[in-house]
Amino acid sequence: EDQVTQSPEALRLQEGESSSLNCSYTVSGLRGLFWYRQDPGKGPEFLFTLYSAGEEKEKERLKATLTKKESFLHITAPKPEDSATYLCAAVPGTASKLTFGTGTRLQVTL
Amino acid sequence: KAGVTQTPRYLIKTRGQQVTLSCSPISGHRSVSWYQQTPGQGLQFLFEYFSETQRNKGNFPGRFSGRQFSNSRSEMNVSTLELGDSALYLCASSLFQGTDEQYFGPGTRLTVT
Repeated sequence: EDQVTQSPEALRLQEGESSSLNCSYTVSGLRGLFWYRQDPGKGPEFLFTLYSAGEEKEKERLKATLTKKESFLHITAPKPEDSATYLCAAVPGTASKLTFGTGTRLQVTL
Repeated sequence: KAGVTQTPRYLIKTRGQQVTLSCSPISGHRSVSWYQQTPGQGLQFLFEYFSETQRNKGNFPGRFSGRQFSNSRSEMNVSTLELGDSALYLCASSLFQGTDEQYFGPGTRLTVT
């Protein structure tokens, strides 16, 4: 059964304090690994797609990386506006449905 | 370019009733997927529609159904509502079936009392 696990469940950082979020996956024939950001009361906002081990993508203070078993979302010098829940999701090779992890709630304080 | 829209945004229903939720995808997108989000289970896949046909289905009971129209708009129906159906229902659109980048709407918050 396809499974995605995210850690930690919650993370509190001070502004400027860099850290990483982890997403480990067990998916048959991974076709893609996705990162989304979700603010309270809103739908998930697409951030990145990664397709193969070793791939990296960056957007502002965020960088996503992928290995054969896990993905990391690195947050460099975060700001309070980066506070949100970050979700990762995997797409198996057999179907175009996203299997989501339960997310990491990130809070960045001044 | 307008994003994915969902109506209504909020809904309160009583156990045993049925409900219909609507989703309009991004213009030009032909695939629509539905997800249920709850605090305990997170985001779970319900089904995907493309070209008016259900292409994939998650592990939900038959009370959950959907359809897609020729203009790609989609509706989701839940019959005989249960308290456990209270959730945020999210719709996501993508260009084609199998296109991985899915863009989500704001969701419909359903409360069953």
